[in-house]
Amino acid sequence: QQQVKQSPQSLIVQKGGISIINCAYENTAFDYFPWYQQFPGKGPALLIAIRPDVSEKKEGRFTISFNKSAKQFSLHIMDSQPGDSATYFCAASNAGNMLTFGGGTRLMVKP
Amino acid sequence: KAGVTQTPRYLIKTRGQQVTLSCSPISGHRSVSWYQQTPGQGLQFLFEYFSETQRNKGNFPGRFSGRQFSNSRSEMNVSTLELGDSALYLCASSLLAGNNSPLHFGNGTRLTVT
Repeated sequence: QQQVKQSPQSLIVQKGGISIINCAYENTAFDYFPWYQQFPGKGPALLIAIRPDVSEKKEGRFTISFNKSAKQFSLHIMDSQPGDSATYFCAASNAGNMLTFGGGTRLMVKP
Repeated sequence: KAGVTQTPRYLIKTRGQQVTLSCSPISGHRSVSWYQQTPGQGLQFLFEYFSETQRNKGNFPGRFSGRQFSNSRSEMNVSTLELGDSALYLCASSLLAGNNSPLHFGNGTRLTVT
């Protein structure tokens, strides 16, 4: 199975709050898990990525948590800002740049 | 450094026609991948090229094809267009093949088939 399931489909958070997006995968051969941010009219931009030998990775306000046994990973956006309002995609890969994407989460951060 | 450039940005074609989309990767990047983005199916992998060779291909019909030139620029072609081919086609480049090298996406070509 190549599917990556992402939830929620949409999320509304108050400014300063924590945004949490979850993804689950089935293919245990996946070894690379990036998150992408996409603004309207633009292509996805890489935010942060993790490999399964690490349980957590933090870059600025963005943190990936990874649970290999549960085959789940999540993105936490701390101190969410209106400028973070975008669509977020998780993805997974085990073969080069052949990414399998989740369905996306539309995040709205209210001022 | 210039980003990934895709041309044209918008395209309107009629069912049955064929279309060619172009992608110029970031300078120095040798791997180019193509993805299709639709509201219903999301982001789906089409194919990946490295050093003019197709490395991986997604689950799309043979009407979808691509190629890469010696300067790493890439084109994808869709023949016998169907209404369902309407989508945003995204090109992404990376320095190397393999997932040790981050993917950088262009802003896409929006194809509308009428």
